[in-house]
Amino acid sequence: DAKTTQPTSMDCAEGRAANLPCNHSTISGNEYVYWYRQIHSQGPQYIIHGLKNNETNEMASLIITEDRKSSTLILPHATLRDTAVYYCIGLNQAGTALIFGKGTTLSVSS
Amino acid sequence: EAGVAQSPRYKIIEKRQSVAFWCNPISGHATLYWYQQILGQGPKLLIQFQNNGVVDDSQLPKDRFSAERLKGVDSTLKIQPAKLEDSAVYLCASSPHPGDQPQHFGDGTRLSIL
Repeated sequence: DAKTTQPTSMDCAEGRAANLPCNHSTISGNEYVYWYRQIHSQGPQYIIHGLKNNETNEMASLIITEDRKSSTLILPHATLRDTAVYYCIGLNQAGTALIFGKGTTLSVSS
Repeated sequence: EAGVAQSPRYKIIEKRQSVAFWCNPISGHATLYWYQQILGQGPKLLIQFQNNGVVDDSQLPKDRFSAERLKGVDSTLKIQPAKLEDSAVYLCASSPHPGDQPQHFGDGTRLSIL
């Protein structure tokens, strides 16, 4: 199963960009990297995923290094509502289920 | 579209009692997942269904946990008898097919064992 490593916690000022790193050196060449977040007392929510190229959607941007060993999730203008645990995730060997680590707790303050 | 529905939202029981959780996935989603999330950790997959069949239950403690999805729609997860270490949030998720992303999660059932 793919294993990821993330910092335990990060702080960010409201309105600034939040850059959340992830190391995923065991993810193979054809495996996507997925990002989910979990706001307190809610279920995880999908943010974005990528394979090789950088990706952007209405929630965030994902920058993946050329060697695919790490990636960075970027929230361009963090708000208080972005305070959550952010998970960088790979799939199990069968490619059917998400393998969650402990994630990064992002605290956005005013 | 309606999201994944779970009930109850909270449950408190004593150890050795039994408990059941219910999940109704998004309409049309063939794949249903149950995850266990212990405080301070990420969710861990317990069991995965494809319609009414089990795809993966390798991490389900089968001596006390059971799950079913008889008609391939809603699902029930049961614990009998409960242990203190079963205190956790039990999350249900669904997706159209196995491996499809994103998975859509419910808000979970928080179980406390006294």
